[in-house]
Amino acid sequence: DVKVTQSSRYLVKRTGEKVFLECVQDMDHENMFWYRQDPGLGLRLIYFSYDVKMKEKGDIPEGYSVSREKKERFSLILESASTNQTSMYLCASSSSGTYNEQFFGPGTRLTVL
Amino acid sequence: RKEVEQDPGPFNVPEGATVAFNCTYSNSASQSFFWYRQDCRKEPKLLMSVYSSGNEDGRFTAQLNRASQYISLLIRDSKLSDSATYLCVVNGETGRRALTFGSGTRLQVQP
Repeated sequence: DVKVTQSSRYLVKRTGEKVFLECVQDMDHENMFWYRQDPGLGLRLIYFSYDVKMKEKGDIPEGYSVSREKKERFSLILESASTNQTSMYLCASSSSGTYNEQFFGPGTRLTVL
Repeated sequence: RKEVEQDPGPFNVPEGATVAFNCTYSNSASQSFFWYRQDCRKEPKLLMSVYSSGNEDGRFTAQLNRASQYISLLIRDSKLSDSATYLCVVNGETGRRALTFGSGTRLQVQP
């Protein structure tokens, strides 16, 4: 069974703080993704990575950065958290090949005060 | 125009009913199509892929209409456990590796 884990289920941070969200997958997947999900807007892609140290911007990369130093781990960084980054953050992974099934982690509910 | 559009619902149906959802996509070059299911406060999970010839998995049937650029999901004999949000997923922008998710259609099956 593919397992994607995220470091926290709930996180509360203050405006201006640097925030790290960690995602780990145990199936040796090449592709990893970060989304945010907001009511009425669905899942929006922030960044994705198709290999170690490789990354591509998604639809809403502003205010975020990512790091992929190891194949199994993909980190999302909010350099200076703002209230409009309050959201549910979902990590996913998939095997190589462009459009394979994505397996999601349980999500991190981030609140920025 | 959004890349992937769905009616948000909610669709409220009685147990045993047949319900259908449609989803339209904007990129005529899209090649891969999926339906994901997301339960309340849970992560999305793949329900089924959608093939050109249409495909069925038990009570669920998915169809693709390339000419009109929409995909559909039909659920027969609805169960209470089918209550969830159904996400239409397409490879949107040509050449981009990632998939594009619709906002989802909420289904509530009532006893």
